[in-house]
Amino acid sequence: AQTVTQSQPEMSVQEAETVTLSCTYDTSENNYYLFWYKQPPSRQMILVIRQEAYKQQNATENRFSVNFQKAAKSFSLKISDSQLGDTAMYFCAFMKHNSGNTPLVFGKGTRLSVIA
Amino acid sequence: DAGVTQSPTHLIKTRGQHVTLRCSPISGHKSVSWYQQVLGQGPQFIFQYYEKEERGRGNFPDRFSARQFPNYSSELNVNALLLGDSALYLCASSLDLGTLGYTIYFGEGSWLTVV
Repeated sequence: AQTVTQSQPEMSVQEAETVTLSCTYDTSENNYYLFWYKQPPSRQMILVIRQEAYKQQNATENRFSVNFQKAAKSFSLKISDSQLGDTAMYFCAFMKHNSGNTPLVFGKGTRLSVIA
Repeated sequence: DAGVTQSPTHLIKTRGQHVTLRCSPISGHKSVSWYQQVLGQGPQFIFQYYEKEERGRGNFPDRFSARQFPNYSSELNVNALLLGDSALYLCASSLDLGTLGYTIYFGEGSWLTVV
């Protein structure tokens, strides 16, 4: 079974600064996807960024980028130029590459507070 | 286009009762999944349906059941409610099975409180 670990329950960052959220995972699979989801107080899960394991290049979406280290099974999220609207719970998630059952496996989350 | 819609948004039930939660996926999406998110935890997978067939089931008791209708909407049913069933229930939809490269979209969830 796959597991996802987020070792930072809470983090804070000053507005306009950069912050990195950590995520490690355990799997015996070779093909899989990794995700970072944001959950603001509205509770809706919003996809921030996605990484395919077969791609060596780290994914980037505007101010959000990842550091994907497949051998170390590490998938950290870097938020640059932090904004007040980035305040939310952030969840790291794993999905096997499988044509059948495709559930997401989530970590416990990191609560990020952006301080003005 | 409307996103994933769930109803009701909030509800309170008594132990032993039954609850039905509803989900309408994004138009054209054929896959619907259900997740349970207990306060302070990440979501946990309950069921996935694709083309009206169950394609996956998480580690939940038989009190939990679901189905998908011809219009791809879905219901999650929970019988004999326990206090521990209190949680946010999230519905997610995707155009096809997620690993074929399509993004998974979540609804805002249904808050269930069991008293």
